[in-house]
Amino acid sequence: GNSVTQMEGPVTLSEEAFLTINCTYTATGYPSLFWYVQYPGEGLQLLLKATKADDKGSNKGFEATYRKETTSFHLEKGSVQVSDSAVYFCALSKRQGYQKVTFGIGTKLQVIP
Amino acid sequence: DTGVSQDPRHKITKRGQNVTFRCDPISEHNRLYWYRQTLGQGPEFLTYFQNEAQLEKSRLLSDRFSAERPKGSFSTLEIQRTEQGDSAMYLCASSSGGTVNTGELFFGEGSRLTVL
Repeated sequence: GNSVTQMEGPVTLSEEAFLTINCTYTATGYPSLFWYVQYPGEGLQLLLKATKADDKGSNKGFEATYRKETTSFHLEKGSVQVSDSAVYFCALSKRQGYQKVTFGIGTKLQVIP
Repeated sequence: DTGVSQDPRHKITKRGQNVTFRCDPISEHNRLYWYRQTLGQGPEFLTYFQNEAQLEKSRLLSDRFSAERPKGSFSTLEIQRTEQGDSAMYLCASSSGGTVNTGELFFGEGSRLTVL
């Protein structure tokens, strides 16, 4: 079945540091890949997505590239801010049909001033 | 606010009692999902509705769990004879239909269940 493996946290960084959160996946067929984010006290929300190999999803300074050969979708940001402190979930779903999304365990990021 | 709303936000109950959660999706969304999230884990799929039809149920959804979506609008998730292992955050999400999977689920803030 489908599964997502992401690095466990928490990850603590100083403001303006470079961020990488690793994510690899196992899926039948050709999935779409996502990063969702959960800020403190808020619901999950989509951060970025990629639907085919070599696509790069980007939003709010975050980027992730769909790597089919390594089955990976690592999240990166060049300079994190305190406001980026949140839990980040890597996820996938089938490209066709309804959006049954499979999530990773989440990685908590804490950015300190 | 036209986002997904869930009620109640927090429910504390004694083992063996029944509880019901309500979800109001974004009004134009015909797809509705329930997920469960325990501490330190990602959300796990429970069930999916397209309009009023329940099209998929996870094996996580035991016989004590039942979900409905009458008239294809709001949905309820009922847990009968609650057990301590049911303690979790119950998340509702909605999305619009379409043949290409955009993947964007719109989540509510969740209903936290604590079973004593």
